[in-house]
Amino acid sequence: RKEVEQDPGPFNVPEGATVAFNCTYSNSASQSFFWYRQDCRKEPKLLMSVYSSGNEDGRFTAQLNRASQYISLLIRDSKLSDSATYLCVVRARGNRDDKIIFGKGTRLHILP
Amino acid sequence: NAGVTQTPKFQVLKTGQSMTLQCAQDMNHEYMSWYRQDPGMGLRLIHYSVGAGITDQGEVPNGYNVSRSTTEDFPLRLLSAAPSQTSVYFCASGTAYNEQFFGPGTRLTVL
Repeated sequence: RKEVEQDPGPFNVPEGATVAFNCTYSNSASQSFFWYRQDCRKEPKLLMSVYSSGNEDGRFTAQLNRASQYISLLIRDSKLSDSATYLCVVRARGNRDDKIIFGKGTRLHILP
Repeated sequence: NAGVTQTPKFQVLKTGQSMTLQCAQDMNHEYMSWYRQDPGMGLRLIHYSVGAGITDQGEVPNGYNVSRSTTEDFPLRLLSAAPSQTSVYFCASGTAYNEQFFGPGTRLTVL
């Protein structure tokens, strides 16, 4: 099983719609969770951190379910500028390692 | 404030050649890492470092070496380039539990 798994998409969504992505992780010792955004041929950039209680940043809402080991991202009122690849990121710090693992990403296309 | 810088931006190598990809950060971050990104494969962790003098292997370390003699620099060495190492390489740095900042990437082609 991959450490971090995402639906690769693409998700083709009309402008103004709501879209949700899920991500599952295999390491139950994972401690930090993030969503990154990557535009074509650019470096990834942090979209938002994911907290245990869930958190919201404008049109974006992130949720964490530790029991089921999944993370979600909800985008409301989608804009054309939201078209990008969204990367789920998990960090696990153990006694011997401290790895930050990226999912393969979910491609989102917002249609006018 | 330069953030994370990577050089070169583009490189073409012949099979068997060696080279070093440079990465530097000016944010005094302890944690630095190297990823490669291939179509359909996402970002895969090659090596990482939690501080000067400490390095460890990631998911795909074979064929690559790293060292961390200073907090600022984290070079990635390709020992004997192979076509399978054709990829986009990203360096990142950050603090514990927080955002990782990425460099602009190095696009490497191995012929």
